[in-house]
Amino acid sequence: EADIYQTPRYLVIGTGKKITLECSQTMGHDKMYWYQQDPGMELHLIHYSYGVNSTEKGDLSSESTVSRIRTEHFPLTLESARPSHTSQYLCASSPDRGLGSNQPQHFGDGTRLSIL
Amino acid sequence: KNQVEQSPQSLIILEGKNCTLQCNYTVSPFSNLRWYKQDTGRGPVSLTIMTFSENTKSNGRYTATLDADTKQSSLHITASQLSDSASYICVVSDRGSTLGRLYFGRGTQLTVWP
Repeated sequence: EADIYQTPRYLVIGTGKKITLECSQTMGHDKMYWYQQDPGMELHLIHYSYGVNSTEKGDLSSESTVSRIRTEHFPLTLESARPSHTSQYLCASSPDRGLGSNQPQHFGDGTRLSIL
Repeated sequence: KNQVEQSPQSLIILEGKNCTLQCNYTVSPFSNLRWYKQDTGRGPVSLTIMTFSENTKSNGRYTATLDADTKQSSLHITASQLSDSASYICVVSDRGSTLGRLYFGRGTQLTVWP
């Protein structure tokens, strides 16, 4: 069983609020990812990190930001939430095995975010 | 354009029956193909990973096949159980970058009825 945790599981909040979604893993994985998933649609990569102090934007443009100060922690922040940010956010991690890694990504159970 | 297409979009079967889910991809250069199971309200969980040289891999009642020539994969579920009700996602990784970019299908929603 993978040890990757996301909090909160559900969040309903008003427009304009600052939000931080937490993601922690206890497996010592170097690579971490944030995905956005809407019902019936594929996962879209919005941020990733190769390791401490590394953050990169993914394929889907997002107004969120991330930080990676510690290996185990990869929080995602929205400075001013809008209804268009309503979605499910999934965090994942994988061990660093270099090019063409055959290691699976381990996913958290997600945060379902609703902006009113 | 790199894409992953899954069919059918949804499927309903009776408990105890077998079923097969399909995945076609155009991702190149190919690194590996993964099948994930995602229960409602949960994150995806890895079922199998296959590289170019592997054409079949099993995980309990789940058997995945890969035809790298035709760029097709299937996931066969044997003797289905109610707990198999979930979305099954096909994911293909390329080897064109250090990250090993992943291309996700939209999933097949499987419902198993008693």
